Amino acid sequence: AQTVTQSQPEMSVQEAETVTLSCTYDTSESDYYLFWYKQPPSRQMILVIRQEAYKQQNATENRFSVNFQKAAKSFSLKISDSQLGDAAMYFCAYRRTGNQFYFGTGTSLTVIP
Amino acid sequence: DTGVSQNPRHKITKRGQNVTFRCDPISEHNRLYWYRQTLGQGPEFLTYFQNEAQLEKSRLLSDRFSAERPKGSFSTLEIQRTEQGDSAMYLCASSTRGFPGELFFGEGSRLTVL
Repeated sequence: AQTVTQSQPEMSVQEAETVTLSCTYDTSESDYYLFWYKQPPSRQMILVIRQEAYKQQNATENRFSVNFQKAAKSFSLKISDSQLGDAAMYFCAYRRTGNQFYFGTGTSLTVIP
Repeated sequence: DTGVSQNPRHKITKRGQNVTFRCDPISEHNRLYWYRQTLGQGPEFLTYFQNEAQLEKSRLLSDRFSAERPKGSFSTLEIQRTEQGDSAMYLCASSTRGFPGELFFGEGSRLTVL
């Protein structure tokens, strides 16, 4: 079975600083996809960034970037220049070449002004 | 397009009652997913439709749960004889075919069973 582990239930960061959220996953597949989703309080979950496992280059979306270590099965999210609007639950998700997405338990990010 | 819409946003019911949630996906999306999310947990997969066909169901989905997607458009999730353990946020998501297949989520329907 595929599992996604987020070992940091809560994280905090000072505004304008950088924070890294950790995610590890377990799989025997070689081809799969990884995602980070953001869930603001009382709002819907939205995609932050995604990574195809066959791509060695780490994905980047503006202030958000990932560190994808395929051999270590690690997929961390780095948020640079943190803003108050980044405060949310962040979920790491895995999808193999089937239809199911598997989510971690989430990391609650607090941004301190 | 206003995105994925879910109704009602919040439902309070007494144990033993039946409840139904509706999801309207993004119009061009042929894939529709239902997830359940409890406090402090990530979304757990319940079921998945491609067009009107229900292709996968989780073992979490007991016989009291049924989902439909008539005509491949909106979907309903019905819970019969609700139990307190059913209290959760029920999330609907839709996506297009192919990979990576980003999920677009609705705001969820929160169920409270008294």
